[in-house]
Amino acid sequence: EPEVTQTPSHQVTQMGQEVILRCVPISNHLYFYWYRQILGQKVEFLVSFYNNEISEKSEIFDDQFSVERPDGSNFTLKIRSTKLEDSAMYFCASSPDRAGKNIQYFGAGTRLSVL
Amino acid sequence: AQRVTQPEKLLSVFKGAPVELKCNYSYSGSPELFWYVQYSRQRLQLLLRHISRESIKGFTADLNKGETSFHLKKPFAQEEDSAMYYCALSGTGGFKTIFGAGTRLFVKA
Repeated sequence: EPEVTQTPSHQVTQMGQEVILRCVPISNHLYFYWYRQILGQKVEFLVSFYNNEISEKSEIFDDQFSVERPDGSNFTLKIRSTKLEDSAMYFCASSPDRAGKNIQYFGAGTRLSVL
Repeated sequence: AQRVTQPEKLLSVFKGAPVELKCNYSYSGSPELFWYVQYSRQRLQLLLRHISRESIKGFTADLNKGETSFHLKKPFAQEEDSAMYYCALSGTGGFKTIFGAGTRLFVKA
């Protein structure tokens, strides 16, 4: 069964450094998402991406965040200057249709630790 | 405001006992409701969605628009049901999913 793949599984970085979290969505899916989960808190929506542009973003997704689909398979989340509070589990998801119309398939997540 | 509330952080039941995981939501419009499950060391995965009206692994959930609830039920819990359960909501045609805080279900032998 096809899966969403995320790399790395764990990323450790120094405060102020840039990080890129990588995702390979399921190949025939058209909608892509990033979520994060701070330890002990709920899963929070960051951004959705469709047709090579952001379709919706949350207030968390400020100027330090960006997303990109650099080729036909990868979907990346870049955090430009990491802060301690960016430490969280980051989940990528993809779906063949909009979130409200179809289920999302989640990756296993990348744990980001900002020191 | 769009919100999903799961009042119980932890629910512990004995094997064979009935289970009900509560979920209430707040949404102006017609939402799509989902239950996602995360077993130990596994990824988040869909358990069921209200429009499917199906039973998955013995679990059912009924959308009650009057009470704005979408409680998850199973008549006889099994040990393998132990997991983290998240109630979630999307707007029809929307691009994001809003999750509740999750309920950890622990089924004791």
